[in-house]
Amino acid sequence: DSGVTQTPKHLITATGQRVTLRCSPRSGDLSVYWYQQSLDQGLQFLIQYYNGEERAKGNILERFSAQQFPDLHSELNLSSLELGDSALYFCASSVSGSGTDTQYFGPGTRLTVL
Amino acid sequence: GQNIDQPTEMTATEGAIVQINCTYQTSGFNGLFWYQQHAGEAPTFLSYNVLDGLEEKGRFSSFLSRSKGYSYLLLKELQMKDSASYLCAVRPLYSSASKIIFGSGTRLSIRP
Repeated sequence: DSGVTQTPKHLITATGQRVTLRCSPRSGDLSVYWYQQSLDQGLQFLIQYYNGEERAKGNILERFSAQQFPDLHSELNLSSLELGDSALYFCASSVSGSGTDTQYFGPGTRLTVL
Repeated sequence: GQNIDQPTEMTATEGAIVQINCTYQTSGFNGLFWYQQHAGEAPTFLSYNVLDGLEEKGRFSSFLSRSKGYSYLLLKELQMKDSASYLCAVRPLYSSASKIIFGSGTRLSIRP
């Protein structure tokens, strides 16, 4: 158990819908990262927040957005869902988000878009 | 650009040794990670190399050569539970140094 929690564990929804995935980092960690992992692709970095502010951005679609709240939990919002958005979404956290940090991953949310 | 290459699949025998290679080409370099991921589960941290050389941690060791853009993960005394994907990940030297680029992973199967 990494100490990172994610809810829900599974999510099934329809195309065109909007969902919110939630992540709570390890106690004391200030940085949260979001990743997408689909069957035909590896782990893709989406976005990072540090202490409430966006720190780094990866290949995140405009239909996706995220935020980190004052209590440091984070939410990833996915809208206008498409079949191709079906994937495992992982959240990771680290102490400071600097160049030498190790990221610890949560158990993931499996999103299925029908 | 960034490019990380590792074999897609490998098979090894219980009790044996296996070496999983990773080559990378990135815009600058700020460290290399190895993660283990069992199917449907979260990646778990194995090792982090930033300097050249071998780092040993129990049955697992990781090696880095920065000049060659090359790393390997060495697993000894293989156990059935080592069947998993092994992800090589590089931290490029961006202004935002916390971004990690993952390879596609090597799926390791252990046979009795």
